[in-house]
Amino acid sequence: KQEVTQIPAALSVPEGENLVLNCSFTDSAIYNLQWFRQDPGKGLTSLLLIQSSQREQTSGRLNASLDKSSGRSTLYIAASQPGDSATYLCAVIPQGGSEKLVFGKGTKLTVNP
Amino acid sequence: NAGVTQTPKFRILKIGQSMTLQCAQDMNHNYMYWYRQDPGMGLKLIYYSVGAGITDKGEVPNGYNVSRSTTEDFPLRLELAAPSQTSVYFCASSYRGREDTQYFGPGTRLTVL
Repeated sequence: KQEVTQIPAALSVPEGENLVLNCSFTDSAIYNLQWFRQDPGKGLTSLLLIQSSQREQTSGRLNASLDKSSGRSTLYIAASQPGDSATYLCAVIPQGGSEKLVFGKGTKLTVNP
Repeated sequence: NAGVTQTPKFRILKIGQSMTLQCAQDMNHNYMYWYRQDPGMGLKLIYYSVGAGITDKGEVPNGYNVSRSTTEDFPLRLELAAPSQTSVYFCASSYRGREDTQYFGPGTRLTVL
């Protein structure tokens, strides 16, 4: 059974710092991996989607990498801002025709001014 | 575009009552999903649909029912509400399913007392 783990559960950094959020998954047979952002009391917003054949994706100050063989993904945020404060969720779609996104529990990021 | 909309935003039910959570999207997406998010846990898929008239179970379907009579709407029915169904419910949609990112609604916070 695919399981997704995100460590740490919470992270607090000063504004301007570069940071890395980690995601690991137990089964390397994935179709794709997605990173989402969730603000308190709100729905999820998609940040980046990495297909299984890709190694990384970039959007603005965000860069996500994927290493399927080791079951790991990282989300790199450059020059963090207070507006980046949110919970970041990692999710994978397993191989085999599934439509099911398997989510981690998230990392709650606080960027202090 | 309004994107994915959900009603109501909040609801309190008594044990044994029934209700329908509404979800609509105006992006002409084929795929629609219902998730629940419990405190400190990742999202879990309840049901999904790949098009009008087609639905399938996700990871936690017990106690719920769905129907998809139109492309736009995907209501979730709770029969005989139980305290274990206290959660935040999110509806999502995507154009090409696992090929695409999912767009999430703002959620419905349900409490069963």
